Amino acid sequence: GAVVSQHPSWVICKSGTSVKIECRSLDFQATTMFWYRQFPKQSLMLMATSNEGSKATYEQGVEKDKFLINHASLTLSTLTVTSAHPEDSSFYICSAISFGAGFSYEQYFGPGTRLTVT
Amino acid sequence: QQQVKQSPQSLIVQKGGISIINCAYENTAFDYFPWYQQFPGKGPALLIAIRPDVSEKKEGRFTISFNKSAKQFSLHIMDSQPGDSATYFCAARVGANNLFFGTGTRLTVIP
Repeated sequence: GAVVSQHPSWVICKSGTSVKIECRSLDFQATTMFWYRQFPKQSLMLMATSNEGSKATYEQGVEKDKFLINHASLTLSTLTVTSAHPEDSSFYICSAISFGAGFSYEQYFGPGTRLTVT
Repeated sequence: QQQVKQSPQSLIVQKGGISIINCAYENTAFDYFPWYQQFPGKGPALLIAIRPDVSEKKEGRFTISFNKSAKQFSLHIMDSQPGDSATYFCAARVGANNLFFGTGTRLTVIP
């Protein structure tokens, strides 16, 4: 299947600083990528839908000024957590849609990024 | 509102046994129902998926049973192995839109 990578896999930052997480589709082009947040022992919560070349669509309750998403190319989307605080500590996962033959499509997930804000 | 309801929350199965996880949905527009397997510290990986025009799909030890009229679908893991111990999520979506995930089931297979 298609491969989605994330970088970094884990990051520790101090409160008040900003952190950028990259999501790349390695062997396919992705016009649409999704960003999820997952707390321990909980399900994935969709934060935003990122479309190449346009503004991201944020889910209700997600602060767009705090979680900046940039989908500048067909293989790269970035999530920047601005002025991070300890409550932003979480596991962030991206995914990308790969379109196959005959209108088929599948959503592939990255390995996740563990963010810890001290 | 939880679009996809999943049960049980946790499951312990003896090695060689059958693991069964159930999900239910309300939105009849959903047209794709995947199951994901997630190990600690890793992203979800697609295990098996089904569309509503079939009632069952089998891939190796994994089977999805789908009941369109009841709006329910389930994952059966035959001959469960300790390596199957993970968290399993059912999901559903409409077209190429975002997935709605169930709350997850933590499966433990004991030797």
